[in-house]
Amino acid sequence: NAGVTQTPKFQVLKTGQSMTLQCAQDMNHEYMSWYRQDPGMGLRLIHYSVGAGITDQGEVPNGYNVSRSTTEDFPLRLLSAAPSQTSVYFCASSYYPPDETTFYGYTFGSGTRLTVV
Amino acid sequence: DQQVKQNSPSLSVQEGRISILNCDYTNSMFDYFLWYKKYPAEGPTFLISISSIKDKNEDGRFTVFLNKSAKHLSLHIVPSQPGDSAVYFCAASDGWVQGAQKLVFGQGTRLTINP
Repeated sequence: NAGVTQTPKFQVLKTGQSMTLQCAQDMNHEYMSWYRQDPGMGLRLIHYSVGAGITDQGEVPNGYNVSRSTTEDFPLRLLSAAPSQTSVYFCASSYYPPDETTFYGYTFGSGTRLTVV
Repeated sequence: DQQVKQNSPSLSVQEGRISILNCDYTNSMFDYFLWYKKYPAEGPTFLISISSIKDKNEDGRFTVFLNKSAKHLSLHIVPSQPGDSAVYFCAASDGWVQGAQKLVFGQGTRLTINP
């Protein structure tokens, strides 16, 4: 099915370990982003990208790196995992309209539940 | 500093009645508002949106109302059905900026529809 695919669905890490959360979309969307969802705090933006080779920080970027070498893929790297990074991570993508007068919303992946012990 | 707030963590409504979910925002630059629905173990799915040039938008059983002067929006679901039980997130954006449309989300409201 077309959409946003996230892997893995679940992961347990030890403090200090590193890992990469994968995100791929097959809708040729220019805009991609990573959010984390924590109880009582909604979804908060970590990093985003407006196209291949272009990334920028969101609201809570510390401890995370991203890159965008292709339109389809937008991996999120945890450099040295900390218990504060225990969360559910969502990748989302969006079509960029030529005239900027419309917004079709994001398409979200199903999430990666990460636990850091 | 929470720019988008959903002050009700949960709401319980009887099947067939109206569900009203509320959302407040503080940033007057927001000009696009969306509601997302989320089931457990799934990603949020887009439900309905409204731009700041309108005060109402309908899609079937779902209606979103926007009161710009009060910086308040609400989602009405009529009639409520058991499948509507989910967490609902309100989100806002200040438009496209250099190719990016960054959404700011509220904390979510868990809606439970009782038979």
